[in-house]
Amino acid sequence: AQSVTQPDIHITVSEGASLELRCNYSYGATPYLFWYVQSPGQGLQLLLKYFSGDTLVQGIKGFEAEFKRSQSSFNLRKPSVHWSDAAEYFCAVAAYNNNDMRFGAGTRLTVKP
Amino acid sequence: GAVVSQHPSWVICKSGTSVKIECRSLDFQATTMFWYRQFPKQSLMLMATSNEGSKATYEQGVEKDKFLINHASLTLSTLTVTSAHPEDSSFYICSASPGQSFNQPQHFGDGTRLSIL
Repeated sequence: AQSVTQPDIHITVSEGASLELRCNYSYGATPYLFWYVQSPGQGLQLLLKYFSGDTLVQGIKGFEAEFKRSQSSFNLRKPSVHWSDAAEYFCAVAAYNNNDMRFGAGTRLTVKP
Repeated sequence: GAVVSQHPSWVICKSGTSVKIECRSLDFQATTMFWYRQFPKQSLMLMATSNEGSKATYEQGVEKDKFLINHASLTLSTLTVTSAHPEDSSFYICSASPGQSFNQPQHFGDGTRLSIL
């Protein structure tokens, strides 16, 4: 079965600094990959997804992620972080045509003024 | 964009009562709905997958008699926590998908915080 690892439990960056959140997946075939953001006490909002094609995926709120098959990674990036980006970020993987979506443990982002 | 409404957002009740949580897709027909459970500062754990008109598929370790799921229409799924106890206290999140594969992305509700006294 597929699985996801988010190595960083908590990251703190200064407002305006760049951000990279790491995600590694395990799956034998081409995965479907997702990044979600969760504000406290709320549900999840989809930031971006990768199914196929261009390995650099653009999402909402200025986020992007790059699928690297050789490294089994799907890291999330943003060139300049805003205070409103402080939240919990989840990477998720699903098999093709399979409803079994697995989430990583999440990375909590704190933004310093 | 697609909207999923989850109700109630917060419920507190006494041990032994049953609690029903509703998940509605407001502007699309949800062929498949998912129920997740999230413990504090942890990730989402899939509890069950439900397809309209059929029985839910439960993940290993999830008690189907404890967590009753009904997906009677293409816009509504309900999760009933029967005879709830303090250990059932958690954040429950539903999601809905218009298709049965992940090229039809899931849309998440805002979650229900369940506290059992």
